Amino acid sequence: GAVVSQHPSWVICKSGTSVKIECRSLDFQATTMFWYRQFPKQSLMLMATSNEGSKATYEQGVEKDKFLINHASLTLSTLTVTSAHPEDSSFYICSALEDGDTGELFFGEGSRLTVL
Amino acid sequence: QKEVEQDPGPLSVPEGAIVSLNCTYSNSAFQYFMWYRQYSRKGPELLMYTYSSGNKEDGRFTAQVDKSSKYISLFIRDSQPSDSATYLCAISNTGNQFYFGTGTSLTVIP
Repeated sequence: GAVVSQHPSWVICKSGTSVKIECRSLDFQATTMFWYRQFPKQSLMLMATSNEGSKATYEQGVEKDKFLINHASLTLSTLTVTSAHPEDSSFYICSALEDGDTGELFFGEGSRLTVL
Repeated sequence: QKEVEQDPGPLSVPEGAIVSLNCTYSNSAFQYFMWYRQYSRKGPELLMYTYSSGNKEDGRFTAQVDKSSKYISLFIRDSQPSDSATYLCAISNTGNQFYFGTGTSLTVIP
């Protein structure tokens, strides 16, 4: 299947710093990518929909100034957690929707963020 | 009403058993149906992708879609300990919005 690379897979940072997570579709183009947050033993919580060349669409309750999303190319979307706090510690997962009529949705491996 | 409902389990079966995982959905407009497998602390992995009704088979996995009942299933034959994971169903209407079940936790006991 298609590969979505997510980096870093694990990051620890101090409170108040910013962290950038990258999501790349390696062998297909993805105009649309999604960012999720997942708490232990819970399902995926959609944070935002990222479209190449336009502003991301955020779900209700997600602070767009806190979670900055940039989708500058058809293969790369980034999520920046700004001024991170311990409550931002979580597992963040991206997915990329393969361009085309019956595009399939592929997920990255996830990034575990720990804010001290 | 949620767009998609999935029994969270947990489900525990002996090795070699047939596993049946199910989801129901609310909107008959949904046309794309997917099953993902997620191991602990990993991203979901696409297992099966089907469009409209019918069956799709891939090795030990069979996905079924019954649009008249708004019911989708994933069957795993000859289950293995390596199948132990959380299985997520997902549905989509336009292909741009995806709705996920809460996931069913499966344990296959050797």
